[in-house]
Amino acid sequence: NAGVTQTPKFRILKIGQSMTLQCTQDMNHNYMYWYRQDPGMGLKLIYYSVGAGITDKGEVPNGYNVSRSTTEDFPLRLELAAPSQTSVYFCASRVGPNTEAFFGQGTRLTVV
Amino acid sequence: GENVEQHPSTLSVQEGDSAVIKCTYSDSASNYFPWYKQELGKGPQLIIDIRSNVGEKKDQRIAVTLNKTAKHFSLHITETQPEDSAVYFCAASRGNGGFKTIFGAGTRLFVKA
Repeated sequence: NAGVTQTPKFRILKIGQSMTLQCTQDMNHNYMYWYRQDPGMGLKLIYYSVGAGITDKGEVPNGYNVSRSTTEDFPLRLELAAPSQTSVYFCASRVGPNTEAFFGQGTRLTVV
Repeated sequence: GENVEQHPSTLSVQEGDSAVIKCTYSDSASNYFPWYKQELGKGPQLIIDIRSNVGEKKDQRIAVTLNKTAKHFSLHITETQPEDSAVYFCAASRGNGGFKTIFGAGTRLFVKA
């Protein structure tokens, strides 16, 4: 049982480049989330999804896009990368609200 | 807006001592309060949670207390061990919003052997 898998683990982007962070879960969870974690800060919600075909913005969605075509996958797209997007990104899933969230290992992204 | 304040930001204890981390939340509709442990290079992992209809919950060396009136909750770790060293996050959420989980800024716990 792999849980939540994120790829890549590390990435360096140049300003203006684009990339997709991949997230997949094998627990058949409907709820999926993308967070970013900046040094000394808590987790800030970027986007979330409550099921295939349904996505919505979190606290800090600007500069990001998501899609949810299947229950398993929830990719995060960065368009026109900026230094302010340097962060560690975590994907998480849960079976429903107010239940345990399972996190991936994180993607450390640096924009230079 | 809603927020969760967490204190202290850093905590250093001697092995065998107790550690206490405190959080205060602002959204009175919050009804679920999880605690996550994050080890270096890994994602956060749930260690204990409490719901608003319970005042205290214990799991071996870990306990959480909730004071709904004061809107604060605390994590207690007894008989600390070096492997307890990590960053701990509190969070608060409400059941009628799947995304409404607000995290504290984290506490870095050091347990000295």
